[in-house]
Amino acid sequence: ETGVTQTPRHLVMGMTNKKSLKCEQHLGHNAMYWYKQSAKKPLELMFVYNFKEQTENNSVPSRFSPECPNSSHLFLHLHTLQPEDSALYLCASSQVESKRGMALHFGNGTRLTVT
Amino acid sequence: GNSVTQMEGPVTLSEEAFLTINCTYTATGYPSLFWYVQYPGEGLQLLLKATKADDKGSNKGFEATYRKETTSFHLEKGSVQVSDSAVYFCALTALNYGGSQGNLIFGKGTKLSVKP
Repeated sequence: ETGVTQTPRHLVMGMTNKKSLKCEQHLGHNAMYWYKQSAKKPLELMFVYNFKEQTENNSVPSRFSPECPNSSHLFLHLHTLQPEDSALYLCASSQVESKRGMALHFGNGTRLTVT
Repeated sequence: GNSVTQMEGPVTLSEEAFLTINCTYTATGYPSLFWYVQYPGEGLQLLLKATKADDKGSNKGFEATYRKETTSFHLEKGSVQVSDSAVYFCALTALNYGGSQGNLIFGKGTKLSVKP
């Protein structure tokens, strides 16, 4: 049990489908993140939510749409994806504070394949 | 800008060998430094961290020392096991002007394979 739970673990979708990834954290943290992990590329930060407000959107295409209804839940809505969007999508959470050494806690990811 | 450079993998070692994975960084101010590990089929887990110069982070036999003079945070383990096979990521955060901690910046990861 990592404290951060992602569902589903695996998802295969066509380019015209609409699906959603879900993340839930049980750690009482106040910030949540979406990362994309592709083969042979560094981890890419996609979105950041602090206290449910989106504070960062790193030039992510609009076919990815995040939603953070409360500090424990985070969604990533997907529509009209491209094959190059196939990757492992990782959710993470942290406690944001003015202090050094804040660590992220990651879920096990959703392996997405776009066909 | 802030960045992390770590050695290219994969690294293949025999069990009980000594491990070093190099990591150097570029950052404004005084970053906090981290090593994360990703086992097959899982997300990333914090392995160890150091928040100021000369600090040594340690966990599960792994160690890394925050070296400001060489801007490095190399990961070491004296005797690796097959169960240490994973991908290792070096990362940093730096304080923003407002005093809050910025987002994690990761290196590309180094895959370690340990053979029996």
